[in-house]
Amino acid sequence: GNSVTQMEGPVTLSEEAFLTINCTYTATGYPSLFWYVQYPGEGLQLLLKATKADDKGSNKGFEATYRKETTSFHLEKGSVQVSDSAVYFCALSQIQGAQKLVFGQGTRLTINP
Amino acid sequence: SAVISQKPSRDICQRGTSLTIQCQVDSQVTMMFWYRQQPGQSLTLIATANQGSEATYESGFVIDKFPISRPNLTFSTLTVSNMSPEDSSIYLCSVVSSREQFFGPGTRLTVL
Repeated sequence: GNSVTQMEGPVTLSEEAFLTINCTYTATGYPSLFWYVQYPGEGLQLLLKATKADDKGSNKGFEATYRKETTSFHLEKGSVQVSDSAVYFCALSQIQGAQKLVFGQGTRLTINP
Repeated sequence: SAVISQKPSRDICQRGTSLTIQCQVDSQVTMMFWYRQQPGQSLTLIATANQGSEATYESGFVIDKFPISRPNLTFSTLTVSNMSPEDSSIYLCSVVSSREQFFGPGTRLTVL
């Protein structure tokens, strides 16, 4: 079946540090890939997505590239801010239109000033 | 985009009782989904709720435990029946709109 594996958390960084959160997946065919973010006290929201191999999703300074050869979709940001503190979820969908998402376990990120 | 509200936002319940969670969307949507997020774990899809038909349940979830209603294109309910402490989780509804999935704020359920 389909599955998503994220790097274990929690992750703690200083402000302006470089961030990488690893995400790998197992799926047949060509799934769509997503990163969702859950800020403290808020609901889950889409951060970025990529729907085919070599696509790069980007938003709010975050980037992730769909790598089919390594079945990965690592999240990166060059300089993190305290406001980036949140839980990040990698997810995939086998079905067009972002239906029936399969989530990774989530990575809690804390940024210290 | 879609704005989703859920009621209640949280509840503390006794084992053996049932709780019905409501999900309201600000626009008409074809498909709604219910997820569960157990403490410290990821989100797991419970079922897909289509208007006018029976909900489709994922492996490990059954209608007797999690009955779902979908009376119209903007509303759905999920009932957690005969609760046990293992049902303590955050329950979220979501919808797909413009090929993006939007989530409600969640209902935090604690079962004593």
